[in-house]
Amino acid sequence: EIVMTQSPATLSVSPGERANLSCRASQSVSSNLAWYQQKPGQAPRLLIYGASTRATGIPARFSGSGSGTEFTLTISSLQSEDFVVYYCQQYDNWPRTFGQGTKLEIK
Amino acid sequence: QLQLQESGPGLVKPSETLSLTCTVSGVSISSSNYFWGWIRQPPGKGLEWIETFYYGGSTYYNPSLKSRATMSVDASRNQFSLRLSSVTAADTAVYYCGRRLLNAPFDIWGQGTMVTVSS
Repeated sequence: EIVMTQSPATLSVSPGERANLSCRASQSVSSNLAWYQQKPGQAPRLLIYGASTRATGIPARFSGSGSGTEFTLTISSLQSEDFVVYYCQQYDNWPRTFGQGTKLEIK
Repeated sequence: QLQLQESGPGLVKPSETLSLTCTVSGVSISSSNYFWGWIRQPPGKGLEWIETFYYGGSTYYNPSLKSRATMSVDASRNQFSLRLSSVTAADTAVYYCGRRLLNAPFDIWGQGTMVTVSS
């Protein structure tokens, strides 16, 4: 099973600034990496797939990069609604696995 | 517009079997290139993938469930179901059903249904 490790667990950033969230895979997942955003009480929302492709309707301030084992989700110019939890997930191997999540909080 | 809706018992006793149904609207579950499945989220914790299937094709289960999970499909009702046997408190979670395309992650989810395992 591929273990996905996200860091940090909690990230404190001021509104309007940039946030970089990291995700590391225990072995290569090529570019088969997705990022999800989850607001309290809601289902996860797909932000990024293929490591760097924005899903339909996702604002341009969200971007993804990386391949192999190291990935980054960047949120530029943070808005108030962005301060929630983010998960990475690999879909290269079975079983599909998620990171433990990064909570983005207001500094 | 594609929509998914989970339904389930809400409360299940330990050692019993949990049954959940996902009703799909807006597209046929037998449509080519669509995969369907389940994830769950224990209270206050992260996401766990449960299973994924392709209509008329293979089903993949999370081995951590140790063969307790079984998937079934009712194409006439455009529904698919998950049965999880021998449940314990560790199976208490919000369960989401979802859809993905070929070689892509899940992109559409239902609103989720909370299941509590307790006597």
